[in-house]
Amino acid sequence: DIQMTQSPSSLSASVGDRVTITCRASQSINSYLNWYQQKPGKAPKLLIYAASSLQSGVPSRFSGSGSGTDFTLTISSLQPEDFATYYCLQSYSTPLTFGQGTRLEIK
Amino acid sequence: QVQLVESGGGLVKPGGSLRLSCAASGFTFRDYHMSWIRQAPGKGLEWVSYISTSSSYTNYADSVKGRFTISRDNAKNSLYLQMNSLRAEDTAVYYCAGRSPSIAAAGGGFDYWGQGTLVTVSS
Repeated sequence: DIQMTQSPSSLSASVGDRVTITCRASQSINSYLNWYQQKPGKAPKLLIYAASSLQSGVPSRFSGSGSGTDFTLTISSLQPEDFATYYCLQSYSTPLTFGQGTRLEIK
Repeated sequence: QVQLVESGGGLVKPGGSLRLSCAASGFTFRDYHMSWIRQAPGKGLEWVSYISTSSSYTNYADSVKGRFTISRDNAKNSLYLQMNSLRAEDTAVYYCAGRSPSIAAAGGGFDYWGQGTLVTVSS
């Protein structure tokens, strides 16, 4: 199974900050990496697929990069609605595996 | 608009069974690969099972293999998860999730999600 390791597990930041979350795969997954945002009591929302493709309707302040084993999600200027938990998901092979999540909190 | 609505969750004793359903609307269900994904209380996301558009291919997490069965009825726009021999560690919110053809072509993940249904396994 492919292990996905996210860092940091939690992060405090302020509105307007630039934030980066990383995800590392235990083996190469090419660009089969997705990023999700989840708010309490809600289903996850797809932000980025194929490592760097912005899902329709997602603000352009979100961006993704990377390939192989190392990936990043960047939020260029944090907005109040961005405080949530973020997960990466590898869709390269089954079992599909998620990172453990990064909780983004208001400083 | 696109909707996935799960049902069938509830309280069940260890060793019991439950069948989850997911009703799809607002999109061409038969064109979407579907999965069940769960989230234990306060924990992260765990992929459970996957089914292809025509049901020709299914796959399961090791934690549920041999106990859970995924199926779909494209005529009824519905996805199912039959859960047998339930354990306390199966307690979670279960989400059905779909992958659109365009996302699938790019090798992406799931772009449509339901609101989830809670399964509690306890005596």
